[in-house]
Amino acid sequence: GAGVSQSPSNKVTEKGKDVELRCDPISGHTALYWYRQSLGQGLEFLIYFQGNSAPDKSGLPSDRFSAERTGGSVSTLTIQRTQQEDSAVYLCASSKRRLRNTEAFFGQGTRLTVV
Amino acid sequence: AQSVTQLGSHVSVSEGALVLLRCNYSSSVPPYLFWYVQYPNQGLQLLLKYTSAATLVKGINGFEAEFKKSETSFHLTKPSAHMSDAAEYFCAVTTDSNYQLIWGAGTKLIIKP
Repeated sequence: GAGVSQSPSNKVTEKGKDVELRCDPISGHTALYWYRQSLGQGLEFLIYFQGNSAPDKSGLPSDRFSAERTGGSVSTLTIQRTQQEDSAVYLCASSKRRLRNTEAFFGQGTRLTVV
Repeated sequence: AQSVTQLGSHVSVSEGALVLLRCNYSSSVPPYLFWYVQYPNQGLQLLLKYTSAATLVKGINGFEAEFKKSETSFHLTKPSAHMSDAAEYFCAVTTDSNYQLIWGAGTKLIIKP
């Protein structure tokens, strides 16, 4: 597609429920990132996928968070047993390769509200 | 480890006035520095980036930033603010050894008519 697509754009869920957030990166981009943006905070790195390599999951805040990337393209971030502190905007970005000298393109994010 | 500090969570300037958004970084290895802008209800987009070429970097919409190693700074400026510049601006750093973008907390730019 023309840009990074994320769905849903908004999600309200009850505490304790599981949610799945989807990211469709730009075609041909091998690198995919998930970030979390809490109100008044910077962006918090969650996970990084690069091609067929094992993902870097070092930013995932707890074992309730997981992510996968199927066929090197679409990615799903899953949050199990959601808590109120999970409320944030979840941003996905993709780039052609590593970030050091190339641009990351961001989706518009999924605003997650846990009530 | 790298870190980024953006001074001022909110900056207010009059239309036509100079815009100065401050960013200081910490890195033990040569950094790559970025400014991203987030307009209301939109995703982030790249304004400009420093990748060890020219220290004065020009970006979109009349913005520029200067990399000053001695001051560990990468401040963003624009000579004359426009109402359409109202947005949140994020400074970020990465290095050759780290593919993560380390982000500042952001500065919300408010333009007064």
